Amino acid sequence: EPEVTQTPSHQVTQMGQEVILRCVPISNHLYFYWYRQILGQKVEFLVSFYNNEISEKSEIFDDQFSVERPDGSNFTLKIRSTKLEDSAMYFCASSEVYLAKNIQYFGAGTRLSVL
Amino acid sequence: QQQVKQSPQSLIVQKGGISIINCAYENTAFDYFPWYQQFPGKGPALLIAIRPDVSEKKEGRFTISFNKSAKQFSLHIMDSQPGDSATYFCAASPRGSEKLVFGKGTKLTVNP
Repeated sequence: EPEVTQTPSHQVTQMGQEVILRCVPISNHLYFYWYRQILGQKVEFLVSFYNNEISEKSEIFDDQFSVERPDGSNFTLKIRSTKLEDSAMYFCASSEVYLAKNIQYFGAGTRLSVL
Repeated sequence: QQQVKQSPQSLIVQKGGISIINCAYENTAFDYFPWYQQFPGKGPALLIAIRPDVSEKKEGRFTISFNKSAKQFSLHIMDSQPGDSATYFCAASPRGSEKLVFGKGTKLTVNP
């Protein structure tokens, strides 16, 4: 069964460093998303991406964050200068394009630890 | 207010019993209500979803009940099995948007 793949599974970084989280969405999907879950809290929407541009973003997704689809298969989330509060599980998701709501398929997540 | 409130935080059920998880929302612009199931080490996976024009949807042992006037929806798991032990998230999506607004999750344990 096709699945969304995220790498690495765990990323440890120092505060102020840049990190890039990588995702390989399901191959025929055209919508891509990033969510995050701080330990003990709810899963929160960060950004959606379609047709090589951001279609929607939350207030969390500030100038420190960026997304990119550098090639035909990868979708990345970059955090320019990490803060302690960026420590969380980051989930990538993808969906096909329907006329109605899309089913979002989630990866297993990347746990980001900022020290 | 784009929040979804989920209860209980944790639930322990005996095998064969009924598990019930409840969610409530305030934003009437939500038009899609999925439930996601998450096993340890895995990402959330869609279990079942409903739109506000129906009051109930059933898929196998899983049923969503939806009360539009009360702005509440719930997941019922009939004949609960140990393999159902997981964290369950309700979510909602606003009209005109693809984003999901999640509840805090319910950790379900089904004892053999």
